[in-house]
Amino acid sequence: DTEVTQTPKHLVMGMTNKKSLKCEQHMGHRAMYWYKQKAKKPPELMFVYSYEKLSINESVPSRFSPECPNSSLLNLHLHALQPEDSALYLCASTPSGQGRETQYFGPGTRLLVL
Amino acid sequence: KNEVEQSPQNLTAQEGEFITINCSYSVGISALHWLQQHPGGGIVSLFMLSSGKKKHGRLIATINIQEKHSSLHITASHPRDSAVYICAVPGNTDKLIFGTGTRLQVFP
Repeated sequence: DTEVTQTPKHLVMGMTNKKSLKCEQHMGHRAMYWYKQKAKKPPELMFVYSYEKLSINESVPSRFSPECPNSSLLNLHLHALQPEDSALYLCASTPSGQGRETQYFGPGTRLLVL
Repeated sequence: KNEVEQSPQNLTAQEGEFITINCSYSVGISALHWLQQHPGGGIVSLFMLSSGKKKHGRLIATINIQEKHSSLHITASHPRDSAVYICAVPGNTDKLIFGTGTRLQVFP
């Protein structure tokens, strides 16, 4: 199984809502990533979890809150988002977080904040 | 100057044409990644290479470490190859530094 799954595929939320994005992999990978991608731009790294510990936070606003309950699962909790947070949110995983490992990406969650 | 630069930014081709996308980088690297993203879709890793050449089907990737340059070639292009192709290299904390991407459209 070389798949990273993400749910939901699409999400529309108001600025006062609380929602969560979910990412799952069963490849035994120990590094998991959240990226944000705006239209016609490359992905921007948000967070990296390595061995279930947060290892990189790219100065992301606190309205985004990541969680890694176990080695297969990664969540991104959203609260009080702004319209400019509308984007494609991509999850990825690698075996151990090294740059020379292939990154396996999920299909993404397309988020619209109204 | 961006650490990873791709050219061209946009590319159109007729079905069957040979296509080349270029990537230049300014940092020392352990590997270089070529990624593909179809419109509205997730990202697929095509190649990871640190030297020489790799081939998968109609796709060929080459890298010249001394010149800090990599190319992605598509032979006998097909409309389903229409996508954005992204070059990426690991930075000093192993996080990927992405190029701006090359948008390819192949017409029948």
